[in-house]
Amino acid sequence: GAGVSQSPSNKVTEKGKDVELRCDPISGHTALYWYRQSLGQGLEFLIYFQGNSAPDKSGLPSDRFSAERTGGSVSTLTIQRTQQEDSAVYLCASSLVGGRGEQYFGPGTRLTVT
Amino acid sequence: KQEVTQIPAALSVPEGENLVLNCSFTDSAIYNLQWFRQDPGKGLTSLLLIQSSQREQTSGRLNASLDKSSGRSTLYIAASQPGDSATYLCAPNSNSGYALNFGKGTSLLVTP
Repeated sequence: GAGVSQSPSNKVTEKGKDVELRCDPISGHTALYWYRQSLGQGLEFLIYFQGNSAPDKSGLPSDRFSAERTGGSVSTLTIQRTQQEDSAVYLCASSLVGGRGEQYFGPGTRLTVT
Repeated sequence: KQEVTQIPAALSVPEGENLVLNCSFTDSAIYNLQWFRQDPGKGLTSLLLIQSSQREQTSGRLNASLDKSSGRSTLYIAASQPGDSATYLCAPNSNSGYALNFGKGTSLLVTP
């Protein structure tokens, strides 16, 4: 079946612009996660959605970052007033069992802020 | 905060060798642990999920072991092939949260 998909695959934006990154989880997966992979930093957790529960936003680095998940499926990560330090690969993952199941990752969106 | 360390950071071996990748983590209160591979410019591919109650998990030429009490996991790759060249990431899932905590990975190169 289809895996996790993300769009766009690459995004180049100017400093100060807003960007939206999209994630389509595996059908039927109730849990969705966003991570960020920066050069030399490794992977860091950003936000977690489980069903209709309030999301765990504890990993968001600043209030310029927000995310929503509509209808328990597709999720959008929005970064407002982008900065050069936001340049990274943004990875989305989903799992069948909320919070404790095997996580399956999408191919990522490479964001470059110039 | 869970800290994950992977040793070695990089490894180069000739084809056919058996090899061991090491992962250690500071908080032993984990629910499970996943091993992933990441090819350059790609996302993560899940290799094995090992539950905290398990000691080992096997998939083909891969075997992952877990010693939760000592905060260690190893990934054993048998009869390595050039197609195994990738970065391998270890990620425990702590009881205190739902996110995976990642190490910086081991970059593996298998030469023909």
